[in-house]
Amino acid sequence: QVQLVESGGGVVQPGGSLRLSCEASGFTFSRYGMYWVRQAPGKGLEWVAFLRYDGSKEFYADSVQGRFTISGDTSKNTLYVQMNSLRAEDTAVYYCAKDGGRDGYNINYIDYWGQGTLVTVSS
Amino acid sequence: QTVVTQEPSFSVSPGGTVTLTCGLSSGSVSTTYFPSWYQQTPGQAPRTLIYSTNIRSSGVPDRFSGSILGNKAALTITGAQANDESDYYCMLYMRAGLYVFGTGTKVTVL
Repeated sequence: QVQLVESGGGVVQPGGSLRLSCEASGFTFSRYGMYWVRQAPGKGLEWVAFLRYDGSKEFYADSVQGRFTISGDTSKNTLYVQMNSLRAEDTAVYYCAKDGGRDGYNINYIDYWGQGTLVTVSS
Repeated sequence: QTVVTQEPSFSVSPGGTVTLTCGLSSGSVSTTYFPSWYQQTPGQAPRTLIYSTNIRSSGVPDRFSGSILGNKAALTITGAQANDESDYYCMLYMRAGLYVFGTGTKVTVL
């Protein structure tokens, strides 16, 4: 069964950095695109970033462009997001999620979600 | 900046039917946006309900259905049950690699 387990959340000061990890199992990691989605306290879901299945392209929401970097390590079946220049408004639960299409099949939806990890940006 | 709009809240009686919609601040939603729908209860991760407009995800009961209604994507719950009380979000594929979630609808069953 598919499992996505996030880690790395915590409290960081404004302007600081943090790297989140998502360990994936139950599917062939290298054949699926992966997402990061976040949810600020009491707010809705916000798409953050997407990594193509082959790692060839990354896409970002305007709100994190230039500050966040998504990447994957197929040898470890792990997705990452490096978050720099963090702001108070980046405070959220960060979810790792798997795309429903294999090998880049253009179906564009999330079929599995992790349980999330909380990032708090505060002095 | 594209905004994807949903009704803030809906109330439905047990056994009743409710249709939630997902629209664009400018333009019409079509199948080319690959609308998908997600259900979330407080403190839990989202659960996938519908993808590619109208395909139910594995294990989703058939009382959930998706469609395009006019210029919006729609999620209909037919025969609502108490455990359908949740927040519902749509997601649209805007263009190469870019996605946007809707503002979310809180559904109350009473």
